[in-house]
Amino acid sequence: SAVISQKPSRDICQRGTSLTIQCQVDSQVTMMFWYRQQPGQSLTLIATANQGSEATYESGFVIDKFPISRPNLTFSTLTVSNMSPEDSSIYLCSGGWGPGQPQHFGDGTRLSIL
Amino acid sequence: ELKVEQNPLFLSMQEGKNYTIYCNYSTTSDRLYWYRQDPGKSLESLFVLLSNGAVKQEGRLMASLDTKARLSTLHITAAVHDLSATYFCAVMTGTASKLTFGTGTRLQVTL
Repeated sequence: SAVISQKPSRDICQRGTSLTIQCQVDSQVTMMFWYRQQPGQSLTLIATANQGSEATYESGFVIDKFPISRPNLTFSTLTVSNMSPEDSSIYLCSGGWGPGQPQHFGDGTRLSIL
Repeated sequence: ELKVEQNPLFLSMQEGKNYTIYCNYSTTSDRLYWYRQDPGKSLESLFVLLSNGAVKQEGRLMASLDTKARLSTLHITAAVHDLSATYFCAVMTGTASKLTFGTGTRLQVTL
């Protein structure tokens, strides 16, 4: 199965700053997604990262807060902007190859905002 | 809005016992996935269910899908401690292959 690498694995940031998370897949992938998982909770989809075009955001998430890039079929970034303590969470990226295959997930980025 | 609910949310069971986790969802879909998550780890894919009546088995776990009832089950047979983890179901809808995750079931198997 595909290997999905995320960097950084964890970070502690100051309020008001921004952090960019990178996601690299070891093979070309049809779709890439970004999720948020708060401690002890389920996963919530933030957006679908579209190759070469603007990401598609879910209700409650906006581009100004979570800008996403996907310059090619194996790489994507998520930026968490102007962070507040409420943004403390685990951010996960996933790769999808279509409905017949499961999405594979990166190890996640644990983000704490002070 | 699609809702995916699991029950129970927490399950403590003894080794050797059987139990079933239920996953109910609120809209039509015939694509359902089960994942396992260990503490501090990412998600591991367990099963892909793509049609009504689909049944998949791996070791002590068996998953099934009833699209008419909008219900999937994950059955655990003769539980062992290594199965302790959080289990998520996820439903795929639309052409964009988006997943909506269930609430999760934290399973604790005691010796």
